Amino acid sequence: GQQVMQIPQYQHVQEGEDFTTYCNSSTTLSNIQWYKQRPGGHPVFLIQLVKSGEVKKQKRLTFQFGEAKKNSSLHITATQTTDVGTYFCAGGYQKVTFGIGTKLQVIP
Amino acid sequence: NAGVTQTPKFQVLKTGQSMTLQCAQDMNHEYMSWYRQDPGMGLRLIHYSVGAGITDQGEVPNGYNVSRSTTEDFPLRLLSAAPSQTSVYFCASRRTGTSGAVETQYFGPGTRLLVL
Repeated sequence: GQQVMQIPQYQHVQEGEDFTTYCNSSTTLSNIQWYKQRPGGHPVFLIQLVKSGEVKKQKRLTFQFGEAKKNSSLHITATQTTDVGTYFCAGGYQKVTFGIGTKLQVIP
Repeated sequence: NAGVTQTPKFQVLKTGQSMTLQCAQDMNHEYMSWYRQDPGMGLRLIHYSVGAGITDQGEVPNGYNVSRSTTEDFPLRLLSAAPSQTSVYFCASRRTGTSGAVETQYFGPGTRLLVL
């Protein structure tokens, strides 16, 4: 079945530093979704990418979908303490497969 | 709108007991799903439904049953609880979407289940 790998599993950054998490799928994806989960909370949908090579921005967050639609990345510029949480990528239409997530800690 | 609601928030079961985790949404979403979240495992799909009367298995369906008699409700049944089913369970819903693209998926607050 479809597998979605995500790295790194953990990342500690100083506030103000950049952060990137990477997602790779074993198969071509129809879409890639990104979620954020705060400690003790539930996943919150951030964005979806569907086109090959697509790039979308949300303020300090930049999302990319690879040309082959098998990989994706989320980049946060100048991290803030409010960015703390676990970021998940997920792919699929009816059967959605999640990566294991990247837990981001921001040191003030 | 209440969004996606789940009950109970916490539950402790003994091995072999059965229970139903409730999930409801008031957004008229066709698609609903159940995930379990375990440390280091991400979220794994248990079952999903694309509409009332239609359900299908996800990645880890064994030990769980679902039914979808209405658009609003999608209960998850544990037939005979086992310690391996200790986890956090999330219900989610969204519109179906088109051409392989999904609509915004909304998650409930989760149910923390401990099986002794």
